[in-house]
Amino acid sequence: NAGVTQTPKFQVLKTGQSMTLQCAQDMNHNSMYWYRQDPGMGLRLIYYSASEGTTDKGEVPNGYNVSRLNKREFSLRLESAAPSQTSVYFCASSDPGTGINQPQHFGDGTRLSIL
Amino acid sequence: QKEVEQDPGPLSVPEGAIVSLNCTYSNSAFQYFMWYRQYSRKGPELLMYTYSSGNKEDGRFTAQVDKSSKYISLFIRDSQPSDSATYLCAMAEGNEKLTFGTGTRLTIIP
Repeated sequence: NAGVTQTPKFQVLKTGQSMTLQCAQDMNHNSMYWYRQDPGMGLRLIYYSASEGTTDKGEVPNGYNVSRLNKREFSLRLESAAPSQTSVYFCASSDPGTGINQPQHFGDGTRLSIL
Repeated sequence: QKEVEQDPGPLSVPEGAIVSLNCTYSNSAFQYFMWYRQYSRKGPELLMYTYSSGNKEDGRFTAQVDKSSKYISLFIRDSQPSDSATYLCAMAEGNEKLTFGTGTRLTIIP
């Protein structure tokens, strides 16, 4: 049982290049999330998808787009990468059930450097 | 002021000691409280999950929530070198969005 799988694990981009980060979960969860983790800032929500076909902005959405391809997959796209987007990106999923918050399960991250 | 405050450490303790990790928060609507453990170059993994006030124990780990003081704690008994990691507190109002602390880096010295 793989849980949440993120690809790639590492990537180096030049300023202005575009890239898509992939995430897939095999737990049949409805909700999926993208976070970035920076030193001293903790985990900050970029976008989330409460169910297949819906996406919503989180705390830091500027410069990113997302696609909920199906129930399993949720991708994050950087259209024109900037050095400020250098970070570790985590995907997570959860199954909220009936109005009760359920804990999120995380992948191992994509380490992205923008030169 | 951040909604969730957590001392970043680093915190170093000898093996076998009791470890106390803490977070304070300002949003009185938070009612779900979690502790995640994150090893180097890995994703956060859920360690403890509590709802509302009170204590919850799981093996060597105890999570404590004091909503009146807006303060949560994680205690680790008989600490082991394998407990060396960054510990993140997280909270939610009842919808799906989590608010995280910045994490405390813990090292257990053999």
